[in-house]
Amino acid sequence: DVQLVESGGGLVQPGRSLRLSCSASGFTFGDFALTWVRQAPGKGLEWLGFVRSKDYGGTTEYAASVKGRFTISRDDSKSVAYLQMNSLETDDSAMYFCYAAFNVWGRGTLVTVSS
Amino acid sequence: SYELTQPPSVSVSPGQTATITCSGDALPQQYAYWFQKKPGQAPVLVVHKDTETFSGIPERFSGSTSGTTVTLTIRGVQAEDEADYYCQSADSSGSYRVFGGGTKLTVL
Repeated sequence: DVQLVESGGGLVQPGRSLRLSCSASGFTFGDFALTWVRQAPGKGLEWLGFVRSKDYGGTTEYAASVKGRFTISRDDSKSVAYLQMNSLETDDSAMYFCYAAFNVWGRGTLVTVSS
Repeated sequence: SYELTQPPSVSVSPGQTATITCSGDALPQQYAYWFQKKPGQAPVLVVHKDTETFSGIPERFSGSTSGTTVTLTIRGVQAEDEADYYCQSADSSGSYRVFGGGTKLTVL
């Protein structure tokens, strides 16, 4: 089956870091850009950024709200992408999703930032 | 920063037609995508590249575009269509994507 699975979420204190993973199976992960999105409780979807495929340089783009704090990377040999989140704030508490090709989404991983 | 504007809510009776709009200055140059989001579930792509209903999505879902507005139309709305709907597109550079604020579709 074609799928993405996020992991790495949990409870973290403000100011700390967390790394989320997005593991792919059932398709050629390296052929696609990989995007991270989040949804805070009671709020809408927020685009965070993406990493292009190696064919398009493997470069990244970020939303202004997380640029400088969040870093997206990929390891095509493992079919996995990462979201490194630093200096976390309470407003970063959300369900975090990854997707590829617009139509392949993970179920999300929950991040709670609280002291 | 670039923004896409959607109405917060739309209400229709079963069997009626629901229309959800999404407005943004770069929409004439950038494709729009529509996602359905139900609580506790991952978003589902329903329309891509402005007007193409995605494979496996009921034909009652369709997309259209006119100038700086794209529209998601659901004909013959069913109870199962009750959800939040989000448009997504890119700014004029094509590098930065954004979601609209979302529209809650209520089936009366």
